[in-house]
Amino acid sequence: QQQVKQSPQSLIVQKGGISIINCAYENTAFDYFPWYQQFPGKGPALLIAIRPDVSEKKEGRFTISFNKSAKQFSLHIMDSQPGDSATYFCAASSFAYSGAGSYQLTFGKGTKLSVIP
Amino acid sequence: EPEVTQTPSHQVTQMGQEVILRCVPISNHLYFYWYRQILGQKVEFLVSFYNNEISEKSEIFDDQFSVERPDGSNFTLKIRSTKLEDSAMYFCASILTRDRGEQYFGPGTRLTVT
Repeated sequence: QQQVKQSPQSLIVQKGGISIINCAYENTAFDYFPWYQQFPGKGPALLIAIRPDVSEKKEGRFTISFNKSAKQFSLHIMDSQPGDSATYFCAASSFAYSGAGSYQLTFGKGTKLSVIP
Repeated sequence: EPEVTQTPSHQVTQMGQEVILRCVPISNHLYFYWYRQILGQKVEFLVSFYNNEISEKSEIFDDQFSVERPDGSNFTLKIRSTKLEDSAMYFCASILTRDRGEQYFGPGTRLTVT
């Protein structure tokens, strides 16, 4: 119920190409869907996030597409660059009101993206 | 830009020893979290903390773990008696308010239990 399934596990893209990473979730209570970028030895860095009231959000070369009925969301990286080579994690959370709330993130297993020149 | 900081960056300890991992969340944030990431695996939630008490904890966060906010800036994770399987990267994160879900992560502490 709490899982977020991410694919592919690894992805190799040519410079200038489009990188697409997909995630699916089961818990319909999830209401916040961020993507994180992680470089080796570093903490996850928030890249872009979406809430279920919109179907798409774009920030620069990064776009999230969201399909509420299918319970799926995806990250598109346009004009992929070697500097984009990193591990990307999708995540999801729901605000579980327990008096204080929590908002912890449930992460996918990650996608290692390699952009080759 | 404000950031979450963590110390130490790497901690090596022997099995059975106690360790304390330290975090300084972003100063005006109200919700604090600990996550862990075993090498090559996904990031897993451990515990959330708000208003000086635990909000939620995962099944990983057993009696060997505790958290504390001893002053207005630090947020600590204590592991009382470390096990080999506690070896992982431990990340601290914080968010501003319940209406702003953007979690900011620290650089992590690599814990190695030998």
